[in-house]
Parts: sequence; C-alpha cells; structure tokens
Amino acid sequence: DTGVSQNPRHKITKRGQNVTFRCDPISEHNRLYWYRQTLGQGPEFLTYFQNEAQLEKSRLLSDRFSAERPKGSFSTLEIQRTEQGDSAMYLCASSLGDTDTQYFGPGTRLTVL
Amino acid sequence: AQTVTQSQPEMSVQEAETVTLSCTYDTSENNYYLFWYKQPPSRQMILVIRQEAYKQQNATENRFSVNFQKAAKSFSLKISDSQLGDTAMYFCAFMKQFGQGAQKLVFGQGTRLTINP
Repeated sequence: DTGVSQNPRHKITKRGQNVTFRCDPISEHNRLYWYRQTLGQGPEFLTYFQNEAQLEKSRLLSDRFSAERPKGSFSTLEIQRTEQGDSAMYLCASSLGDTDTQYFGPGTRLTVL
Repeated sequence: AQTVTQSQPEMSVQEAETVTLSCTYDTSENNYYLFWYKQPPSRQMILVIRQEAYKQQNATENRFSVNFQKAAKSFSLKISDSQLGDTAMYFCAFMKQFGQGAQKLVFGQGTRLTINP
C-alpha cells in the first residue's frame, strides 16, 4: 500500500495522559500536514512540515501539542496532559509540492475519558 | 481569511438520480484551487475533483462534474447516475495558490449524502 498511513487508528485514554500518533506519508511527498476533525465538522489545519522543518502552526495547536518530522519522512503528533476537548479525529495528509493535491490518511480517532 | 460554506447539511436521493451539492466561499485571492473530497463512513478522505481558479473550463471526472462560478464564488458538485457507493460526507475545500507558509486546505462543514436503493 503506497498511501498515507496512520497509527494507531483508535486511541482511548484518560484525561491527563500523554498520547502520540504517527503518520507515514507517501514516500516521495515532502509536504506533510496535520488536521483535526471534530464530529460533524470539516477538518481544521493544525501544522505543516516541508521536509523536516515545521513551517507553520495553527493557533489551535496549544502548548500541549508538539509535532515532529525528524528525518523528513514520518511524523509524530504528541498531546500532553490530554483534555476531553482533545477528543477528535486527527488526520494526516501529504503532498508532493505546495499546490499539489493533498492525500489523506485514515486518521487516528482519539477519545479522552 | 478564507471561509467555505456548505449550506446543505444532509441530502438524500435515489440510486441513479442526479444530485448537486452546493458550496460557496469567500476570498480576496484571485488565484486559488478548489476541491471536493469524499469521506465514506469509517473510511479515509479521498479526492473527488479539483478545479484551478484560472481555468474557465469546469472540471469533470467520470460521473462527477463541477459548476465553477468565480464571480459568484460558487463551486457546486454534480454527481450523475448516483450509486450506492457514493454515500459519504462530501467536503468542499479551498487552497490559495500563493503566499507564505502552508498551502493549507480550508474546509466547509460538509454535506452528508445518502444514496438510497
């Protein structure tokens, strides 16, 4: 499968715990995006990487959120001290160039109890 | 800032009928891209169709076509000969062509489309 993959697909955690999600983009894509989608809404942009550089972060990304893409390949999104409001689907997308089509992974559904 | 509005939260049609989903957007940009993405139940989001704003010709992909009205800032999706597999959430999305930072997608709220047998 050469598409975008995300792990885990589902994560249930208790409030206050830390969680980490992983995204593996399409291999030749050097642009990587994270979005958050709450129930019944469209995805909202969180952050963007060009190769290993994190070039933009949304104000939605509080200090409890951190994202990395250490070697310009896979990316991780960590949420510290999770809150119930963090419950959402976290989507990763990748593209070849800036204005090229973004291809999405299946998402990680986070439930914070 | 750009905004995208989908005014139809839900739609339902019979199989083989034609259905049109509406999308309007607001931007001061002259060059941009518009997309329709499909998100089937419990499955990942996939691209349906893409339109470049500088192109006057409406994009088509098999049974899917758009009606792009740049002056009206309208971008509707027409699905012809609808099939059961078209049942999904459909999102309209905007992306600017130029500018600093991420070429992020700005999504509408979505339209839940159900195709009935």
